[in-house]
Amino acid sequence: QVQLQESGPGLVKPSQTLSLTCSVSGGSVTSGHYYWTWIRQTPGKGLEWIGYISDTGSTYYSPSLRSRVTVSVDTAKNHFSLQLTSVTAADTGVYYCASCDYGSGSYYVDSWGQGALVTVSS
Amino acid sequence: DIRLTQSPSSLSASVGDRVTITCRASESISIYLHWYQQKPGKAPKLLIYAVSSLQTGVPSRFSGSGSGTEFTLTISSLQPDDFATYYCQQSYGTLYTFGQGTKLEIK
Repeated sequence: QVQLQESGPGLVKPSQTLSLTCSVSGGSVTSGHYYWTWIRQTPGKGLEWIGYISDTGSTYYSPSLRSRVTVSVDTAKNHFSLQLTSVTAADTGVYYCASCDYGSGSYYVDSWGQGALVTVSS
Repeated sequence: DIRLTQSPSSLSASVGDRVTITCRASESISIYLHWYQQKPGKAPKLLIYAVSSLQTGVPSRFSGSGSGTEFTLTISSLQPDDFATYYCQQSYGTLYTFGQGTKLEIK
């Protein structure tokens, strides 16, 4: 299993862009069988799947967030990133990066970062 | 979206008890049902994947079963370390979703 670590600002102003990075160790973002994933946990919606980018570069985003979300990967730095635009207080929560194993055919999350608390407030 | 409903939402039990948590899906999800444990301030941890496969390192007192739309997580003999919140997650639909959680507390 890989190890994951989120980094980024803990405070974002309303209407601005939330940006987080997930550093991957113990494996490569180009290795097969993982979706590099962002999940958040908010008081209002509990655990919520945001989206992912695969080792081949294909992406999937939650329909409710699709217009505001981008997940990208930097192979040179072996990390992947989340950008969420036009944030509101409803976007306040703990953001997790995670690895979703699709190689097994079962699509489960086998590694999680420790979580990054992001507060949206002026 | 496929909705997952867990029951109960909270549960009080004692060390040594046998506990069962249920997860119901709004439509059939085949074997794409997984269970996680979360402790306060920590990330969720995978316990069981594909209904009944135990993740490496997870004690054998945890087991999963079910099919179609109804699934269960069973802890055969509760240990002090097991008091936590448990979540089911489905990966059958294009949007993966989680249940709302079951908080397991000490009686």
